[in-house]
Amino acid sequence: NAGVTQTPKFQVLKTGQSMTLQCAQDMNHEYMSWYRQDPGMGLRLIHYSVGAGITDQGEVPNGYNVSRSTTEDFPLRLLSAAPSQTSVYFCASSYAPGQGYSPLHFGNGTRLTVT
Amino acid sequence: QKEVEQDPGPLSVPEGAIVSLNCTYSNSAFQYFMWYRQYSRKGPELLMYTYSSGNKEDGRFTAQVDKSSKYISLFIRDSQPSDSATYLCAMRRRGGNTPLVFGKGTRLSVIA
Repeated sequence: NAGVTQTPKFQVLKTGQSMTLQCAQDMNHEYMSWYRQDPGMGLRLIHYSVGAGITDQGEVPNGYNVSRSTTEDFPLRLLSAAPSQTSVYFCASSYAPGQGYSPLHFGNGTRLTVT
Repeated sequence: QKEVEQDPGPLSVPEGAIVSLNCTYSNSAFQYFMWYRQYSRKGPELLMYTYSSGNKEDGRFTAQVDKSSKYISLFIRDSQPSDSATYLCAMRRRGGNTPLVFGKGTRLSVIA
């Protein structure tokens, strides 16, 4: 069972570079989301999607872009990386939140450093 | 005031101790309550969940919800070094597509 797969595991970027963090799930989950986790800040929601073609902003969306063309994939794009985006990024998925308690399933994260 | 408050710790206990982890919340509409465990350099994994008020037990773990006080707890009995992790509470209201709201997590160390 693959669950939620994130690539790459580690990445170092220079300020101003762009990159895409990949996320794929094989559980046929409608809902997918991206979080960043920083010391003392907990998990903060960046963007989420309730289905293919539908995305919405979370708590900290600035500097990030998402799209959802398939049920399985939900890539996160950094258009022009900044040191403030140094963080650990987690992708998570679940059945639609309206269908009961719908627990989130997390990937193992991408550790991003922006110099 | 944040919607969910959780003491970040760290909390250090000897092996075999009973551990109590807690969260308070302000949104009375929350109905689904969850606890996640996160080991170092891993993603959070669901540990327990409860719906509305009451207790739920699973082995050495007990989750409690007191909606009148807007307070949830996770108890770990006979704690083991393998329980050393960060524990995050999470909650959501019923219906709609509202995201889970997480506490900041409590870091627990169980010393052998």
